[in-house]
Amino acid sequence: AQSVTQLDSQVPVFEEAPVELRCNYSSSVSVYLFWYVQYPNQGLQLLLKYLSGSTLVKGINGFEAEFNKSQTSFHLRKPSVHISDTAEYFCAVKRQETSGSRLTFGEGTQLTVNP
Amino acid sequence: KAGVTQTPRYLIKTRGQQVTLSCSPISGHRSVSWYQQTPGQGLQFLFEYFSETQRNKGNFPGRFSGRQFSNSRSEMNVSTLELGDSALYLCASSLVGRGVTEAFFGQGTRLTVV
Repeated sequence: AQSVTQLDSQVPVFEEAPVELRCNYSSSVSVYLFWYVQYPNQGLQLLLKYLSGSTLVKGINGFEAEFNKSQTSFHLRKPSVHISDTAEYFCAVKRQETSGSRLTFGEGTQLTVNP
Repeated sequence: KAGVTQTPRYLIKTRGQQVTLSCSPISGHRSVSWYQQTPGQGLQFLFEYFSETQRNKGNFPGRFSGRQFSNSRSEMNVSTLELGDSALYLCASSLVGRGVTEAFFGQGTRLTVV
């Protein structure tokens, strides 16, 4: 079984400051890793994904994440946030060996960007 | 290319009733998954359908069921509604294959049970 832990439930930051949202995972099998963003009253939108290769992954809206296999982490970063980045962010994993589409999500991190 | 469409967007039902939610996947996507999102439990996987067959199921009671039609559209049904079933129900569609492709989510159906 897989599990995902997002270490911060809420992260308040000021506009133009850097931010890091932390995600650790646990799995007995190899997994793929994802970050999704959810704006109020909306569905989930994919920010970025790690499948293989370079451990630094760049996504949309200036976000990037680094996969660390030894620490089983996949932290999300942005060097300078905007008010419009205020949203909930979800880390998720998917088993590699299956063709199914089941995702296991973390509890979410509410990012609030203040002026 | 149209995205994933879920209908209705909002729904209010009474305890004991049943409800049916609909999801139209992106054209060409044959896998449809359903998730329940609540403040207390977060995002939880309900089930996945592919080629009209359920191929994966989460840990939910039998009151939660689904089906998929030949055009890949999917419905989920909840019978004998309970207050705790109030949630945002999200549908996601994916291409099929061993290689990973992202799941595309709809905007969800907000179900309120009173």
